[in-house]
Amino acid sequence: DVKVTQSSRYLVKRTGEKVFLECVQDMDHENMFWYRQDPGLGLRLIYFSYDVKMKEKGDIPEGYSVSREKKERFSLILESASTNQTSMYLCATSEGSNEQFFGPGTRLTVL
Amino acid sequence: RKEVEQDPGPFNVPEGATVAFNCTYSNSASQSFFWYRQDCRKEPKLLMSVYSSGNEDGRFTAQLNRASQYISLLIRDSKLSDSATYLCVVNLNNYGQNFVFGPGTRLSVLP
Repeated sequence: DVKVTQSSRYLVKRTGEKVFLECVQDMDHENMFWYRQDPGLGLRLIYFSYDVKMKEKGDIPEGYSVSREKKERFSLILESASTNQTSMYLCATSEGSNEQFFGPGTRLTVL
Repeated sequence: RKEVEQDPGPFNVPEGATVAFNCTYSNSASQSFFWYRQDCRKEPKLLMSVYSSGNEDGRFTAQLNRASQYISLLIRDSKLSDSATYLCVVNLNNYGQNFVFGPGTRLSVLP
């Protein structure tokens, strides 16, 4: 079974703080993704990566950056957290065009 | 027009009922198709892939109509445990890098 883990289930930060969300997968998948999910808006892609050190912007990259130094690890960085970044953050992996596997999510609250 | 649209829901049905969800997608070049389910405050999990010839998995049947750009999911003999949000997902290329999620349809199966 694919295992995708995320560093925290719940996180509370203050406006202006730098926030790191980490995602680790154990199945050697090429593709990794970061989404945010908000009520009424569904899942929106922030960034994805198709290889180590490679990244592509998704639909809503503003205010975020990512890092993929190792194949199994994909980090999402909020350079200066703002209240409108309060959301559920979901990491996912896939191999080719096969289905995505999701981590348990991090519910981030920015005060 | 949104890339992937679904029945707005919610659907409230009694146990044992048959329920059908519809999904339409706008990009005729879409390559692969999936139904995911998402329980409240949990991550999405793959329910089934959707193949051109249609496919069935127990009480669940998925159909794809490429000409009409339409996907359906039929649930027979609904169980209380089927209560969840059902997400229609379309992948736009063969590299697995362009998954588009529908907004989801919420199902409540009532005793």
